[in-house]
Amino acid sequence: EVQLVESGGVVIQPGGSLRLSCAASGFTFEHYGMHWVRQAPGKSLEWVSLITWDSGSTYYADSVKGRFTISRDNSKNSLYLQMNSLRPEDTALYYCAKDIGRKGDYLDLWGRGTLVTVSS
Amino acid sequence: QSVLTQPPSASGTPGQRVTISCSGSNSNIGTDYVYWYQQLPGTAPKLLIYRNNQRPSGVPDRFSGSKSGTSASLAISGLRSEDEADYYCATWDDRLSGPCWVFGGGTKLTVL
Repeated sequence: EVQLVESGGVVIQPGGSLRLSCAASGFTFEHYGMHWVRQAPGKSLEWVSLITWDSGSTYYADSVKGRFTISRDNSKNSLYLQMNSLRPEDTALYYCAKDIGRKGDYLDLWGRGTLVTVSS
Repeated sequence: QSVLTQPPSASGTPGQRVTISCSGSNSNIGTDYVYWYQQLPGTAPKLLIYRNNQRPSGVPDRFSGSKSGTSASLAISGLRSEDEADYYCATWDDRLSGPCWVFGGGTKLTVL
């Protein structure tokens, strides 16, 4: 079964750092680009970041550029999101999503998400 | 404020046909495919339509997509109670800082 399972979400104070993980199974992880997408409570979806299949290129939303870093370990079938200088507006459910292609085509599979709450 | 504009709500009765619009610009819908996602209450989004009008395996043909210029639409015919969900359009936006995937603000569909 093709599956994406996110972890690492917690309640954290503003200014703190956090690393989210996404474990992939059921498909050849190293063949596909991967995304992070977030959804604040009761709000729309917001794309966060994309990493290509070989980590050769990364892209970020303006709202997180310079604070978040996406990475992957193809040997571990895992995707990561390092989040620094967290703000209350970063509070959201963070989804890991698979791309249909290697370098960014469209998102075809989503995990269930992990909740990050930034609050003092 | 989302880059792609959708009506916040839509509704219909069982069996009806409803459409949801998505308006963008030349830097996004005008130059790329449009995708639609369905998010049932309390669940992750699911791909509903890809490349303007293609349905993934398992998506009923009651769902259809179209695109014209800088706008797109999702149509649902033979509306069913299980179609009650949030629907999001999405595409790539071509920015100077690099490509950016963008979503619409979402449309909450109520089946009356």
